[in-house]
Amino acid sequence: ELKVEQNPLFLSMQEGKNYTIYCNYSTTSDRLYWYRQDPGKSLESLFVLLSNGAVKQEGRLMASLDTKARLSTLHITAAVHDLSATYFCAVVRVWGGSNYKLTFGKGTLLTVNP
Amino acid sequence: NAGVTQTPKFQVLKTGQSMTLQCAQDMNHEYMSWYRQDPGMGLRLIHYSVGAGITDQGEVPNGYNVSRSTTEDFPLRLLSAAPSQTSVYFCASSYFDLRAGSYEQYFGPGTRLTVT
Repeated sequence: ELKVEQNPLFLSMQEGKNYTIYCNYSTTSDRLYWYRQDPGKSLESLFVLLSNGAVKQEGRLMASLDTKARLSTLHITAAVHDLSATYFCAVVRVWGGSNYKLTFGKGTLLTVNP
Repeated sequence: NAGVTQTPKFQVLKTGQSMTLQCAQDMNHEYMSWYRQDPGMGLRLIHYSVGAGITDQGEVPNGYNVSRSTTEDFPLRLLSAAPSQTSVYFCASSYFDLRAGSYEQYFGPGTRLTVT
């Protein structure tokens, strides 16, 4: 059974600081997703990481994937209040040709304080 | 395109009542799925469908039924609501993007269900 663990689950940061959210998964997968969710809203796709060593950046967020270590990181640079949200990582498992499933981590609630 | 739509947005049920959560998509995606989101639990897959007429169970299927008679619609039925089914329910549709090599998933706005 595929397990996805995120840490930390809660993160309170000051504006301007840097921090990293970690996502570990238990079985081989070469597709990892990061989503953002604002309170009371749906999930918004941030990044798709498709191969070992993949790195993607958007604004103050940078995501990377190490498939050998089964680890992805979401790095926040110089945090601003607008980044306050819950961040989820999710890993794809594929089977039977057309079946696939996303398994989500429990999410990291990020609060950026002025 | 409306994307993925869900109705209702909010619902309160009494224990034992039944209801159907509606989900529709206009992107012609073959794959649709239902998740529930509970505090501190992330999203968990309830049921999914790889095309019209084909459905299968996810991680937490008990107490829920689905059917897929058309590509567009994927309703989720609660047979006899229980307080443990109080949750936020998200429907998603997705496809495999050959160019990007990734499964692109689109989530609906969610239905917040309370069972008393």
